[in-house]
Amino acid sequence: DTEVTQTPKHLVMGMTNKKSLKCEQHMGHRAMYWYKQKAKKPPELMFVYSYEKLSINESVPSRFSPECPNSSLLNLHLHALQPEDSALYLCASSRTGTAYEAFFGQGTRLTVV
Amino acid sequence: GQQLNQSPQSMFIQEGEDVSMNCTSSSIFNTWLWYKQDPGEGPVLLIALYKAGELTSNGRLTAQFGITRKDSFLNISASIPSDVGIYFCAGPSNAGNNRKLIWGLGTSLAVNP
Repeated sequence: DTEVTQTPKHLVMGMTNKKSLKCEQHMGHRAMYWYKQKAKKPPELMFVYSYEKLSINESVPSRFSPECPNSSLLNLHLHALQPEDSALYLCASSRTGTAYEAFFGQGTRLTVV
Repeated sequence: GQQLNQSPQSMFIQEGEDVSMNCTSSSIFNTWLWYKQDPGEGPVLLIALYKAGELTSNGRLTAQFGITRKDSFLNISASIPSDVGIYFCAGPSNAGNNRKLIWGLGTSLAVNP
């Protein structure tokens, strides 16, 4: 099973809403990632969790709040977003150590109105 | 900082033609990853390269890890319509926590049936 599952696939939210994106993997990977991707651009790293601890925060605004409840789950809590935050949000996972291959979910297409 | 220069930016080819794209950097990478992304989907890992000079195939795809460790090539033989998409190269950052991947800007491939 090389699957990373993200829900929801699409999300439309207002600027005052609070919503959460969810990600799940059962490959035993201990590194999990959130990426943001704009059209025709490469993915842009937001957060990295390693062994359920936040190890990288790429200076992401506090309106994005990650959470890693256990080794299989990763959430991204959204609050007071701006229209420019509209993008494809990708979750990925990988083994740790010298294995860098990241496996991506299908993404959540987020539109902020 | 580290950068990956990917070329060409886009390609328009006839079905059945072979395709070649490359990724170069001014700094050394110890791993090269090649991903393909379909519109609205997450990137899918095609090939991972770990050794300088390594040549690895995955079906009609062949990728090489350049001997200088500063470049990598991806070739697609006998292209078919489902090869359409954006191809990204990526490699782990040499700075600090190398869970961060550095990405090329992508090569957009269009195949004319």
